[in-house]
Amino acid sequence: GAVVSQHPSWVICKSGTSVKIECRSLDFQATTMFWYRQFPKQSLMLMATSNEGSKATYEQGVEKDKFLINHASLTLSTLTVTSAHPEDSSFYICSAAGLAGVEQYFGPGTRLTVT
Amino acid sequence: SQQGEEDPQALSIQEGENATMNCSYKTSINNLQWYRQNSGRGLVHLILIRSNEREKHSGRLRVTLDTSKKSSSLLITASRAADTASYFCATEGGSYIPTFGRGTSLIVHP
Repeated sequence: GAVVSQHPSWVICKSGTSVKIECRSLDFQATTMFWYRQFPKQSLMLMATSNEGSKATYEQGVEKDKFLINHASLTLSTLTVTSAHPEDSSFYICSAAGLAGVEQYFGPGTRLTVT
Repeated sequence: SQQGEEDPQALSIQEGENATMNCSYKTSINNLQWYRQNSGRGLVHLILIRSNEREKHSGRLRVTLDTSKKSSSLLITASRAADTASYFCATEGGSYIPTFGRGTSLIVHP
């Protein structure tokens, strides 16, 4: 089946620094990638939708200047958490949709801890 | 909102028993998907059921969809300790962007 990877799988950073998370579709081209955030024992909340070559669409309440998304190719999207704060600590999951667009394939997630 | 709401929030059973989880949603959907998430891991896709389908099977999994009641159920038969995980339903409308419920935490005791 389709495989989506994320890197890193976990990261600890100091408050005020920026962290970049990569999401790659390994064996298919992903026209659309999605970024989710999940707090402990909570559901996945969609942060933004990114389409290759265009600006990401952010969900209401998500700061686009804080969560920078770049979808430079059909196999790579990046999420950069700028000036991270402890409240940004969360589990970030990406997913990618193939050309058919119906089914999404999820990455393994990235655990971000901001100290 | 099309957000699915799973019920129960937590379920604890013995190995070999069946586990049933329910999902209710509010508006019309194109399809509904069930996912599994082990603690601290990403999501694994289990089953997709389209709005014109009523039941689907995959191994020990059985999913039903009742669009008139806006509800779906996931049945895991003959559960195993390895089935311990959180299970989420995700509904999709015209945008094909899934909206997730809060999930059901399933614990299967060996």
